[in-house]
Amino acid sequence: GQNIDQPTEMTATEGAIVQINCTYQTSGFNGLFWYQQHAGEAPTFLSYNVLDGLEEKGRFSSFLSRSKGYSYLLLKELQMKDSASYLCAVMDSNYQLIWGAGTKLIIKP
Amino acid sequence: GAVVSQHPSRVICKSGTSVKIECRSLDFQATTMFWYRQFPKKSLMLMATSNEGSKATYEQGVEKDKFLINHASLTLSTLTVTSAHPEDSSFYICSARGATGLETQYFGPGTRLLVL
Repeated sequence: GQNIDQPTEMTATEGAIVQINCTYQTSGFNGLFWYQQHAGEAPTFLSYNVLDGLEEKGRFSSFLSRSKGYSYLLLKELQMKDSASYLCAVMDSNYQLIWGAGTKLIIKP
Repeated sequence: GAVVSQHPSRVICKSGTSVKIECRSLDFQATTMFWYRQFPKKSLMLMATSNEGSKATYEQGVEKDKFLINHASLTLSTLTVTSAHPEDSSFYICSARGATGLETQYFGPGTRLLVL
């Protein structure tokens, strides 16, 4: 079966760095996406990785290792507004997104 | 980035009535649109996938006669919840994707449905 695993909840301090991990087992791979979802709102796109390595975009970076079926989202210089759920999703061989359950990130002052 | 709109953002209706939700891609042609529902503090649940000009593909357990989906143009898809009941109350979110199949899904802002 297809499976996406990510931690249910994480807590971090304002100004610090946090890494949210995602492991996956899917039928085929056409890329991995990270989305941010604030409570009561729809998800917004953060990043897309299809090749191994690190993609940096401002305070957020995303890493992919296809051989390990592993990705992480790295958030630097955390701000209170970064409190949200972070969703990992993998596009399978049928170009369908398989969603993780999301990681709720709590930022404390 | 790509913009997807959704209307209405919030709707309250009586049990037994039907509700139509519109999803529009404003600055790109969406060959594929997706409809999700999300219960509080739960993950996204894909309901159906629709390709422009063809019938929607529904996920297992989703009643196609209850959740009618129409994707008549490259910029508009509609979801109609027929004979709504209180258990249909949820957050409904659409997303849209362009032609290549490898492009990012962009989400609409969601529609919060409350059935009394």
